[in-house]
Amino acid sequence: DSGVTQTPKHLITATGQRVTLRCSPRSGDLSVYWYQQSLDQGLQFLIQYYNGEERAKGNILERFSAQQFPDLHSELNLSSLELGDSALYFCASSVFGGGTGELFFGEGSRLTVL
Amino acid sequence: GENVEQHPSTLSVQEGDSAVIKCTYSDSASNYFPWYKQELGKGPQLIIDIRSNVGEKKDQRIAVTLNKTAKHFSLHITETQPEDSAVYFCATNMDSNYQLIWGAGTKLIIKP
Repeated sequence: DSGVTQTPKHLITATGQRVTLRCSPRSGDLSVYWYQQSLDQGLQFLIQYYNGEERAKGNILERFSAQQFPDLHSELNLSSLELGDSALYFCASSVFGGGTGELFFGEGSRLTVL
Repeated sequence: GENVEQHPSTLSVQEGDSAVIKCTYSDSASNYFPWYKQELGKGPQLIIDIRSNVGEKKDQRIAVTLNKTAKHFSLHITETQPEDSAVYFCATNMDSNYQLIWGAGTKLIIKP
């Protein structure tokens, strides 16, 4: 158990809809990362937050947005969903987020868009 | 842009044999090189990492070697066991920001 909690574990929705994925980082971790992993694909970095502020942005679509709240939990919002958005979405956390420390991953939220 | 190339994409080895996965990076400023293991249905987990001030690091059956001149680093697993079957990802940082750049992953299959 990494200590990172993601909800929901599974989500099935239709094209055009909007969903919110939630992540609770490990206690004490200030940084949260979101990754997308499509079937048999690698990890695509989406976005990173540190102590409530956006720190780094990867290949995140304009239809996607995220935020980190004062209690350090984070939400990833996916809107106008397309079939190609079906994937595993991972949240990870780390103590500082400077790029040289261990990332602790949650078990992921599997999104299926029909 | 900066990238990390990981080879092979799939590796099948006999139980008890060794496995080697190699990654090549492009940013000479990279100074942190972790390896993550992703078991089926789970998130990736750090198994070993190395920093640029050392050339090799070992942890039981797992070792990582770094060649900064050639800009490549490798994961070595000896005496492979069935539980080593997983997808392995290499990564490295970029000095200019806080991201890790990830390899595409290697699916390691241990044959009984």
